[in-house]
Amino acid sequence: GENVEQHPSTLSVQEGDSAVIKCTYSDSASNYFPWYKQELGKGPQLIIDIRSNVGEKKDQRIAVTLNKTAKHFSLHITETQPEDSAVYFCAATYGNQFYFGTGTSLTVIP
Amino acid sequence: DVKVTQSSRYLVKRTGEKVFLECVQDMDHENMFWYRQDPGLGLRLIYFSYDVKMKEKGDIPEGYSVSREKKERFSLILESASTNQTSMYLCASRPGTGSSYEQYFGPGTRLTVT
Repeated sequence: GENVEQHPSTLSVQEGDSAVIKCTYSDSASNYFPWYKQELGKGPQLIIDIRSNVGEKKDQRIAVTLNKTAKHFSLHITETQPEDSAVYFCAATYGNQFYFGTGTSLTVIP
Repeated sequence: DVKVTQSSRYLVKRTGEKVFLECVQDMDHENMFWYRQDPGLGLRLIYFSYDVKMKEKGDIPEGYSVSREKKERFSLILESASTNQTSMYLCASRPGTGSSYEQYFGPGTRLTVT
């Protein structure tokens, strides 16, 4: 099956700085790559996603890049704010199954 | 808005008990999933269902079973709870293939087995 690795496991940034989280996947057939944000006591919520026919996607302060050749994709958060503090998960999917990374705990220091 | 609800936020059970975790979604989604979430291990798929009465094993099905008698409801069953099943359990649903790929998650059930 698919294997998704996510780094770093923890990340602390000053408010206003950028944060980057990276994931790699193993199955070249994976074709959909969502990113989820999980706040304390809540279930994960989708914040951005990218499909394999696209190299980059941006939504306000959040962007995702995909390199299919290298099999890695990254989440970029610019101008971080304290409310960005949460655990972030990447996933790679093929068909019905989602394979998740182990999560990154992001802390934005005011 | 899609809503996925789980029957309990917190649950404490004893070793050997039979445990039922219920999940209900209100958007007529074909696919439903059960994950467990453990620190450092991310989300691991236990079972999923792509239709009523249909089920598929995920990566860690041992010690669990599922039931889907109605489209909106997907139940996770721990036949004989053990301490190593103490975890956060997340239910999710997703529309059938050909539409949005997004999975919608419930708030989770934190299960403690003593």
